[in-house]
This record gives sequence, C-alpha cells and structure tokens, in this order.
Amino acid sequence: DTEVTQTPKHLVMGMTNKKSLKCEQHMGHRAMYWYKQKAKKPPELMFVYSYEKLSINESVPSRFSPECPNSSLLNLHLHALQPEDSALYLCASSGYSWFEADTQYFGPGTRLTVL
Amino acid sequence: QKEVEQDPGPLSVPEGAIVSLNCTYSNSAFQYFMWYRQYSRKGPELLMYTYSSGNKEDGRFTAQVDKSSKYISLFIRDSQPSDSATYLCAMIYQGGKLIFGQGTELSVKP
Repeated sequence: DTEVTQTPKHLVMGMTNKKSLKCEQHMGHRAMYWYKQKAKKPPELMFVYSYEKLSINESVPSRFSPECPNSSLLNLHLHALQPEDSALYLCASSGYSWFEADTQYFGPGTRLTVL
Repeated sequence: QKEVEQDPGPLSVPEGAIVSLNCTYSNSAFQYFMWYRQYSRKGPELLMYTYSSGNKEDGRFTAQVDKSSKYISLFIRDSQPSDSATYLCAMIYQGGKLIFGQGTELSVKP
C-alpha cells in the first residue's frame, strides 16, 4: 500500500490564524517531505525530515514550522500567513534517508487559501 | 539553463492516439527517473520510475531513458480521456533533491 494521507483537504484561514496541516504514512518510510505547489508550476521543496530529524530547510519563512512527532507523522504549523502563501501543500515520503535517492510518494495535498 | 526541461504544452490528442512526452536534463549525476501524473487539484501520482537506460513497460505506459543523450520519454498507447492530466518528469541523484520538469498538460479528446 503506497498511501500518504493528508488532512484537511481544504483550509481557509485569515492572516492572524494559527492552523496545522497533518500528514501520515504507514509504509515504514524514513524520509518525509513538505512541498508547496502553485497553479501550473511543479512542486517546490520546503522541508525534509530524515529519521525524524530536520535535514533540509529550503530557507522557508518562519511562519511555516514543521514538526515530525514520529516516523509516520509529519505536521506543518502555520501562523501569520500571507495571501501569497495560498497554494497546494503536498506531503511526500520515501523509503530511506533523503540522502539515498529514492522514489517519493505524494499525498493528495491540502489546498490552502489565506484571506 | 534549467536542470530539467519539459515542454509545458498544452498537448491535445484524439482518443486512441499514441502520446509521447519528453524531458531533457543537463546533470549527468541523475540516477533515478520518474514520471508523475497529476490530475487537477490533486497530488502527483507516481506512474513509472527507472534507474538505467532502456525501456520499462507497464500496461499502456512505456518509460524510456537515454542517459547518453540525457533524454527521457513517456509513451502512452491507446490514450483515453481519463489520461487527461498534467505529466511531470522528475529525477534525483544520491544526496540530491527531487528535481521536476515544468509538467506537460495533456488533453485526450473523445
């Protein structure tokens, strides 16, 4: 079963709100990723966790705060977002450490709208 | 120059046609080559992945890699309206990040 689940599917928030996106995988993968995707563009990498440790932060603004509570879960905490942060947020996982080039499996995404 | 180049289309074909989607790349370090299909407002779905040069077939889909030319292709035989989506090529090397092409928007008309 190559499934990554994400909740919620849709999220509308104001610029002063605090919200969280959740991602879960039960494939035993040890690397998990957050991507941001704007319309008609490919996904852009935001964060990489490998063995539950933050391995890569692509200079993402601090209003995005990732968290990896365990090997199956990945959260993205959102605070004081801007309208330009509206996008599809994708979670992905892969088998090994991010360093070991491997195929990545994506979740369905959370469509975020910031008012 | 982008590391991975992919024609964004859009590409429109009649049902039953053979579709050819292509990407070129500049970094010879890439080891794994993937094709993702993405329906509107959904996450990318892994279709095919290959490691070496040559062909890999899965049903109506064939992935082709030519490392000497730094060129990869995805062929879709007997295309169906349900194949209408954006197709993203992607590639990665050890210690690197997954690099996507721009995506090709495909429309298969009944």
